[in-house]
Amino acid sequence: KQEVTQIPAALSVPEGENLVLNCSFTDSAIYNLQWFRQDPGKGLTSLLLIQSSQREQTSGRLNASLDKSSGRSTLYIAASQPGDSATYLCAPSGNTPLVFGKGTRLSVIA
Amino acid sequence: ETGVTQTPRHLVMGMTNKKSLKCEQHLGHNAMYWYKQSAKKPLELMFVYNFKEQTENNSVPSRFSPECPNSSHLFLHLHTLQPEDSALYLCASSQERQGFSNQPQHFGDGTRLSIL
Repeated sequence: KQEVTQIPAALSVPEGENLVLNCSFTDSAIYNLQWFRQDPGKGLTSLLLIQSSQREQTSGRLNASLDKSSGRSTLYIAASQPGDSATYLCAPSGNTPLVFGKGTRLSVIA
Repeated sequence: ETGVTQTPRHLVMGMTNKKSLKCEQHLGHNAMYWYKQSAKKPLELMFVYNFKEQTENNSVPSRFSPECPNSSHLFLHLHTLQPEDSALYLCASSQERQGFSNQPQHFGDGTRLSIL
């Protein structure tokens, strides 16, 4: 059974700082991995999807990497802004469509 | 603007009530999903439908009954719920069932359900 762990559980940084969110998963037989953000009281917004054959994906200030063999993914956020404040969730997909971690709650302080 | 719309946004019901949650997607997707998000727990997959057929039931109690009349609509019928069923219920869709496709899932904003 796939299990997903996200570290840290919460993070508070000053505006402008670069930061890294970590995700680990126990079953490396995945098809892809998605990173989402969730704002309070809202649904999930897809940020990046990395296919199992890929090492990384980039979108604007976001860069996600995937090391499938070691069961790890990281989300790098450059030049953080207050608008980045949200909970970030990673979810690998394989035999089970998406398995979620508990997320990292990010606060970017102006 | 989300392509996945969920109604109602909030629902308060007693344990003996019957109610339904509705999800509609305007993205032309063929797979739809129900998730449960409880406080301090990861999102839990409940049901998966692919081309209107249920492909997964993640050991969900029978007091939750899904219905998928077509690829654009998904319902979750609720009956005799328990206080521990209070949660945010999220609907999602994707082009095909995740795991068979590298297209992302798109989520609605959820229904906040409170059981009295």
